[in-house]
Amino acid sequence: DAGITQSPRHKVTETGTPVTLRCHQTENHRYMYWYRQDPGHGLRLIHYSYGVKDTDKGEVSDGYSVSRSKTEDFLLTLESATSSQTSVYFCAIRASGGGDEQYFGPGTRLTVT
Amino acid sequence: GNSVTQMEGPVTLSEEAFLTINCTYTATGYPSLFWYVQYPGEGLQLLLKATKADDKGSNKGFEATYRKETTSFHLEKGSVQVSDSAVYFCALRMDSNYQLIWGAGTKLIIKP
Repeated sequence: DAGITQSPRHKVTETGTPVTLRCHQTENHRYMYWYRQDPGHGLRLIHYSYGVKDTDKGEVSDGYSVSRSKTEDFLLTLESATSSQTSVYFCAIRASGGGDEQYFGPGTRLTVT
Repeated sequence: GNSVTQMEGPVTLSEEAFLTINCTYTATGYPSLFWYVQYPGEGLQLLLKATKADDKGSNKGFEATYRKETTSFHLEKGSVQVSDSAVYFCALRMDSNYQLIWGAGTKLIIKP
């Protein structure tokens, strides 16, 4: 257990509304990631962070923004949700030292109607 | 570019059967390779890994060997249980940026 929580765990929202998902970690890891999981695609990287206020785009960043004002929190925002953003969103951290593996939160299921 | 290809599922087996889930990769350089497992309704958990050619990763009765000559990292288990039912993901990581490239996942169903 890498001490990662995500909130909310489930959300239904309407097209065009803003949505923010939160990832919280308790172990002071520097690197954090946001992925989306869709059938047939595995996981795709949306954005990642390598420190407070340091973020970069991933493979599928269009329509998403992120912020990291504290080490422990990494926020993912959909400024104006669309139906194509219906997905399961996972946050991950990279464990420091050792093998630098990624560990995942429990996920947020987002439905945009 | 770098990519991972997994066998399509679902794979359906009877309890105590032998399991193989195929994974092949394309990469420039020498990636590290991973298998993750996702149980229903949960996040992904690291199952095993290998960081160089001929390494064998193992955990919970699962094994996978990093085969550079065939660019493969097939997952095997000698005798599966109903509790092994899950989705299994193969992934590679280039140590230049530590980002993971994922396969599409293979759903495994074990019947009693």
